[in-house]
Amino acid sequence: DGGITQSPKYLFRKEGQNVTLSCEQNLNHDAMYWYRQDPGQGLRLIYYSQIVNDFQKGDIAEGYSVSREKKESFPLTVTSAQKNPTAFYLCASSLGTISNQPQHFGDGTRLSIL
Amino acid sequence: DAKTTQPNSMESNEEEPVHLPCNHSTISGTDYIHWYRQLPSQGPEYVIHGLTSNVNNRMASLAIAEDRKSSTLILHRATLRDAAVYYCILRAPMIYNQGGKLIFGQGTELSVKP
Repeated sequence: DGGITQSPKYLFRKEGQNVTLSCEQNLNHDAMYWYRQDPGQGLRLIYYSQIVNDFQKGDIAEGYSVSREKKESFPLTVTSAQKNPTAFYLCASSLGTISNQPQHFGDGTRLSIL
Repeated sequence: DAKTTQPNSMESNEEEPVHLPCNHSTISGTDYIHWYRQLPSQGPEYVIHGLTSNVNNRMASLAIAEDRKSSTLILHRATLRDAAVYYCILRAPMIYNQGGKLIFGQGTELSVKP
């Protein structure tokens, strides 16, 4: 079955530590996105990538970094500079970025601070 | 970014139709209307989208007002599995909108009673 796989499902970070969240898709989609969701809130865009080897900052990129070396993969690193990283992180992909193309989401990674 | 207004919560009985309203009075002519839903601790799921005409798919129907200032998501026979938060989202063309990002509001929490 085609879809988006996020791992791990739960992740704990110690103070001063960088952690990397994995996102893999086998839908052959060009565009990929990372969103953050806080309790009772809607999603906010962290980074997006329209094509391999290219990515752009979203609304809340500070303290995060990404790479897009392969079409299928768009990992997100939460760095120690992100002072409030506890949240639900969601990865999405779409065929492209035009406005009539839906986005497909993974099941998310829940990050907590130890 | 154009905004949407939805009721915070709605209730429905199982096997009855549900009409979820959305107001978007500042919609522009090129904005698509998207609907997603999110179950607890899961990523959002695409439901349906449209521009001007009413749309049907296997999950739901989307009725769009003639002036496009409002729309209604119709679930024809609610089941317990339809209990979720439903988001109505306006998606602008990429040149106005970071990579075609989805802008999530608070959504409508739908509960379904057996």
